[in-house]
Amino acid sequence: AQSVAQPEDQVNVAEGNPLTVKCTYSVSGNPYLFWYVQYPNRGLQFLLKYITGDNLVKGSYGFEAEFNKSQTSFHLKKPSALVSDSALYFCAVRPMNRDDKIIFGKGTRLHILP
Amino acid sequence: DGGITQSPKYLFRKEGQNVTLSCEQNLNHDAMYWYRQDPGQGLRLIYYSQIVNDFQKGDIAEGYSVSREKKESFPLTVTSAQKNPTAFYLCASSGWQVNTEAFFGQGTRLTVV
Repeated sequence: AQSVAQPEDQVNVAEGNPLTVKCTYSVSGNPYLFWYVQYPNRGLQFLLKYITGDNLVKGSYGFEAEFNKSQTSFHLKKPSALVSDSALYFCAVRPMNRDDKIIFGKGTRLHILP
Repeated sequence: DGGITQSPKYLFRKEGQNVTLSCEQNLNHDAMYWYRQDPGQGLRLIYYSQIVNDFQKGDIAEGYSVSREKKESFPLTVTSAQKNPTAFYLCASSGWQVNTEAFFGQGTRLTVV
């Protein structure tokens, strides 16, 4: 079965420190991987995606993600965290078969401590 | 501006009532989705549609119904059969190609009173 796992419910990071939000996946074929962010009482916003090519993908607000095929991971990273980065982050995978639905992880709440 | 619009932002339902949540997009997207989000939880798929006049049940379709008569619109009806409808509902759309990201509306918060 195709799935996405976000092993941490919550991640706490001090402001100015680097942050990592973890995501692993299980899909057949080549994965199309996405990260989204959700602020309170709002919809999800797209951050970045991996389709093919360079394993390090850069996105909005200084975020980047590293695709690792051997570890089936797509961790979200930022070199220096801001308090305003505090939000709920979702990893998602879209299967190659367009008739299949998008699969979301359960989300990781990121707290940036001032 | 292109985007996806949900209305209303807040909705109150009495016991035994059906209510309909609106979702409209002007992105020319083929696929549309409805998700439910409960406090502290992730997204659960209710229904999705890949094309006009066709839709599929998601993981928690019981007590909900949808229609897709127009490409731009994918309304969700929460019926009286849904015993615990209080939640945050999110609509999304995406393009035909699988390497495209989904766009989300701002959500509708439904409360049973």
